[in-house]
Amino acid sequence: QKEVEQNSGPLSVPEGAIASLNCTYSDRVSQSFFWYRQYSGKSPELIMSIYSNGDKEDGRFTAQLNKASQYVSLLIRDSQPSDSATYLCAVKKSGAGSYQLTFGKGTKLSVIP
Amino acid sequence: DGGITQSPKYLFRKEGQNVTLSCEQNLNHDAMYWYRQDPGQGLRLIYYSQIVNDFQKGDIAEGYSVSREKKESFPLTVTSAQKNPTAFYLCASSLGFGPKEKLFFGSGTQLSVL
Repeated sequence: QKEVEQNSGPLSVPEGAIASLNCTYSDRVSQSFFWYRQYSGKSPELIMSIYSNGDKEDGRFTAQLNKASQYVSLLIRDSQPSDSATYLCAVKKSGAGSYQLTFGKGTKLSVIP
Repeated sequence: DGGITQSPKYLFRKEGQNVTLSCEQNLNHDAMYWYRQDPGQGLRLIYYSQIVNDFQKGDIAEGYSVSREKKESFPLTVTSAQKNPTAFYLCASSLGFGPKEKLFFGSGTQLSVL
């Protein structure tokens, strides 16, 4: 089982709709969870972090964490064409005296005007 | 402006050649990282460093080497032992190394084999 799994997509949503991106992780000791946005040919940009169960909202973005189900999601409200990108889920856990950040392969989102 | 600078943006390697990718940060961050990204794949950790003069292997360190002689700089050398070096290389840094520390990335170097 992969440590961090995401549906590769592409996920297509119409402009103005809610985009829902999902991520599951295998290690129960995972402590911190991050969502990065990556445009084609560019570097990842941090958009959300979440550390405890529940929802965290920042503008049009909401991150949701359920540690019991080992599931983290990102909702994008009022999706815009500029949101079209690959979204990477990253999970941090402790191990061998350090904290390792493990990335999923990403979900490609396409927002259709 | 504070940030992470990677150079060059594009790099070509000949067979048997070692090449070095530069990473400089002026964020006063303690921790620095190198990741490799292949098309359609997630990021994989090559090496990381928590403090000057100390670094640790990541998941795919074979064929790579690093140094951390200055806090601001963390160059990556892709040696001839790395048989499949074509990838997008990303340098990152974080203020510290705790569970909530966020990573920030440079603009990346695309390495290709001639």
